[in-house]
Amino acid sequence: NAGVTQTPKFQVLKTGQSMTLQCAQDMNHEYMSWYRQDPGMGLRLIHYSVGAGITDQGEVPNGYNVSRSTTEDFPLRLLSAAPSQTSVYFCASSYAGGYDKETQYFGPGTRLLVL
Amino acid sequence: GNSVTQMEGPVTLSEEAFLTINCTYTATGYPSLFWYVQYPGEGLQLLLKATKADDKGSNKGFEATYRKETTSFHLEKGSVQVSDSAVYFCALDDYKLSFGAGTTVTVRA
Repeated sequence: NAGVTQTPKFQVLKTGQSMTLQCAQDMNHEYMSWYRQDPGMGLRLIHYSVGAGITDQGEVPNGYNVSRSTTEDFPLRLLSAAPSQTSVYFCASSYAGGYDKETQYFGPGTRLLVL
Repeated sequence: GNSVTQMEGPVTLSEEAFLTINCTYTATGYPSLFWYVQYPGEGLQLLLKATKADDKGSNKGFEATYRKETTSFHLEKGSVQVSDSAVYFCALDDYKLSFGAGTTVTVRA
């Protein structure tokens, strides 16, 4: 198992550009989520999905879109990048959301710099 | 809403010292509690967890006890090593994961 994979590892964008951060998992997990990590703020939930075709907003969804067409993939789209979106982005997955108390598995992260 | 507060860092220790990182939480229900660790340049890994009051999670010499009466889940290790240098996150899971801000721990030889 590769676990949770993310691409790219590092990306530099100019303000206003768009891009997609890729996330894939090969563990047949239903629940997937995207977080951003900023100094002194821990991880904040951007969007999450409880299964293919189902997505919902987290704590900081503005400026980001997601879709879940397959169980394996959960891409995060930045529509028009802003310097405030400079951060480290982590994708995570688990068998189910919190009620089953399952451990979430994290990808290695994508470092994004918006100039 | 749910929230997690953990002690601010950074924390610098000598090898074999005792480590405590305080974590308190606010939740409306009965969440599971977690400690995640992030080693330099890596993603987060689950260190330990507890799913109900009075449960003790343990792993790699680290321990934390779910204290409902004090709404706390403090992380402890009796003798740290240089390899324990990392950022530690306390988190609660009540349908969604809520993380604390993280505590950076540096262990010097």
